[in-house]
Amino acid sequence: KNEVEQSPQNLTAQEGEFITINCSYSVGISALHWLQQHPGGGIVSLFMLSSGKKKHGRLIATINIQEKHSSLHITASHPRDSAVYICAVRRPGGSNYKLTFGKGTLLTVNP
Amino acid sequence: EAQVTQNPRYLITVTGKKLTVTCSQNMNHEYMSWYRQDPGLGLRQIYYSMNVEVTDKGDVPEGYKVSRKEKRNFPLILESPSPNQTSLYFCASSLEGVTDTQYFGPGTRLTVL
Repeated sequence: KNEVEQSPQNLTAQEGEFITINCSYSVGISALHWLQQHPGGGIVSLFMLSSGKKKHGRLIATINIQEKHSSLHITASHPRDSAVYICAVRRPGGSNYKLTFGKGTLLTVNP
Repeated sequence: EAQVTQNPRYLITVTGKKLTVTCSQNMNHEYMSWYRQDPGLGLRQIYYSMNVEVTDKGDVPEGYKVSRKEKRNFPLILESPSPNQTSLYFCASSLEGVTDTQYFGPGTRLTVL
């Protein structure tokens, strides 16, 4: 079992729908990243969380440390949101220089 | 503009021919790291550097070397590439470590025949 599990693996939505992507991890963490990778493109950092909730435009990221779970929400989804979304964690007590990645969620938003 | 650059972006080579992928950042970041991305496996860390002249192994370091002689540059060296090193490679940097925002390069697609 991977330390970081994302669900769903693939998600297809219609433009305007509310999207939720989930990330669960098996050990405690001290930081969690959400990353976005467009097809054929590079990787962009969306959020870095250690507790609570962060919002940027139509994107919202939440984390529940006790439940070892984080969610990325996209409101009013748009075709340009189509991308792979990747969750990555830093384990507490571990190196401040190592990240463990989920395998990503492929989101397709149709017009 | 703050950025991480990688060169080359695409490379096709043959087994055993030494190659270097360069990575440079203009943000005065102390931390730099190399990752490879493979279908079904996701991103995996190869090597990282905490500062000039300080490097350490990630999860998949076999077959790779790195050096950090200047703060801005962190080249990835494949002394004798093999087909199993065919992959998409990303360089990343951040202020001090993985609890800071990570800035990724555009990626280098390497094919080893």
